[in-house]
Amino acid sequence: NAGVTQTPKFQVLKTGQSMTLQCAQDMNHEYMSWYRQDPGMGLRLIHYSVGAGITDQGEVPNGYNVSRSTTEDFPLRLLSAAPSQTSVYFCASSYSVVGTEAFFGQGTRLTVV
Amino acid sequence: EDKVVQSPLSLVVHEGDTVTLNCSYEVTNFRSLLWYKQEKKAPTFLFMLTSSGIEKKSGRLSSILDKKELFSILNITATQTGDSAIYLCAAPTRDSGTYKYIFGTGTRLKVLA
Repeated sequence: NAGVTQTPKFQVLKTGQSMTLQCAQDMNHEYMSWYRQDPGMGLRLIHYSVGAGITDQGEVPNGYNVSRSTTEDFPLRLLSAAPSQTSVYFCASSYSVVGTEAFFGQGTRLTVV
Repeated sequence: EDKVVQSPLSLVVHEGDTVTLNCSYEVTNFRSLLWYKQEKKAPTFLFMLTSSGIEKKSGRLSSILDKKELFSILNITATQTGDSAIYLCAAPTRDSGTYKYIFGTGTRLKVLA
């Protein structure tokens, strides 16, 4: 059972480049989310999805897009990378938001130069 | 605005010491509080607490919730160097239509040999 698989683990981008962070889960979870983690800021929610075809913005959505065409996959797209997007990104999934634990992917350390 | 606040921000102890980590919360429609341990990678689940006064225990770790005073504590007894990590607490909530887990900024614990 793979859990939450997140790729890549590391990425360096130039300002203005675009890329997609992949996230897949095999637990049939309805809720999936993307966080960024910055020193002293904790985990901040970028986007989330409560099921296939349904996505919504979190606290810090600017500069990012998501889609949820299947229950398993929830990719995060950086449209035009900026140095302020240098961070560690985590994908997480859970059966629901209320009353269940979230499972995390291994993280992507992104540097934008 | 919903929030989760952890203290202390960091802590350095010696092996064998006992530590208490604090998490206070202000969350509308509170349902549960979760504790995670984050070493170099993804946060891993420790406990989920939903009822006041009922201790959850796993080995040397234990946690309890006080829903009247709106806080939780995580205790680690007989600390070991392997306990060195960031400990996160989180509360799931629905805030302005957004379903999310609100994370504290974490307590960084370092255990010296």
